[in-house]
Amino acid sequence: SQQGEEDPQALSIQEGENATMNCSYKTSINNLQWYRQNSGRGLVHLILIRSNEREKHSGRLRVTLDTSKKSSSLLITASRAADTASYFCATDGLSGGSNYKLTFGKGTLLTVNP
Amino acid sequence: DAGVTQSPTHLIKTRGQHVTLRCSPISGHKSVSWYQQVLGQGPQFIFQYYEKEERGRGNFPDRFSARQFPNYSSELNVNALLLGDSALYLCASSLHPDSSYEQYFGPGTRLTVT
Repeated sequence: SQQGEEDPQALSIQEGENATMNCSYKTSINNLQWYRQNSGRGLVHLILIRSNEREKHSGRLRVTLDTSKKSSSLLITASRAADTASYFCATDGLSGGSNYKLTFGKGTLLTVNP
Repeated sequence: DAGVTQSPTHLIKTRGQHVTLRCSPISGHKSVSWYQQVLGQGPQFIFQYYEKEERGRGNFPDRFSARQFPNYSSELNVNALLLGDSALYLCASSLHPDSSYEQYFGPGTRLTVT
């Protein structure tokens, strides 16, 4: 079953605009990760945020985590056409000691128009 | 260094047949995980192996099996294929099985069952 749910399912913006994607999850976590996938190929790791962190930056990416609301957001600033991809959040699980597997959401399809 | 490699890239099989998918992790990585990604969904965890031992198993039937070899490469086997097994199969490697370690994904094997 899917733990995380991304919102929106699809997002279309113009180059240069910012893109914000949200992720909600159900159970307690150790950390949350964001991945990018181009055209049904392999996933590329973008950023990992631990449960005791509230915000993290990496280049044009900014991730926030609110464990009280069980939600995270990914902000891509100054988007480029090359950012067009599907974006997934993935969580591990504190319950049952299952900190070895990632549970992915259904993803947000981002289209950046030139 | 080469990334995670998977073979074959594409595969077409008939219902009831058996399939073997292969994965070579990044040099030095001892943990390999397998995920199934059905079109329009996020990846779902199938197995994780670390140091040739199964560390975790997702909610998949016994038709799915895997193993890891002394060189840390891995095979995923699926018996008695069903139409619903059509998916992108992703392999990921990491230094350690703990989910706080970044997982590096391969390009995937696209399996079509007819």
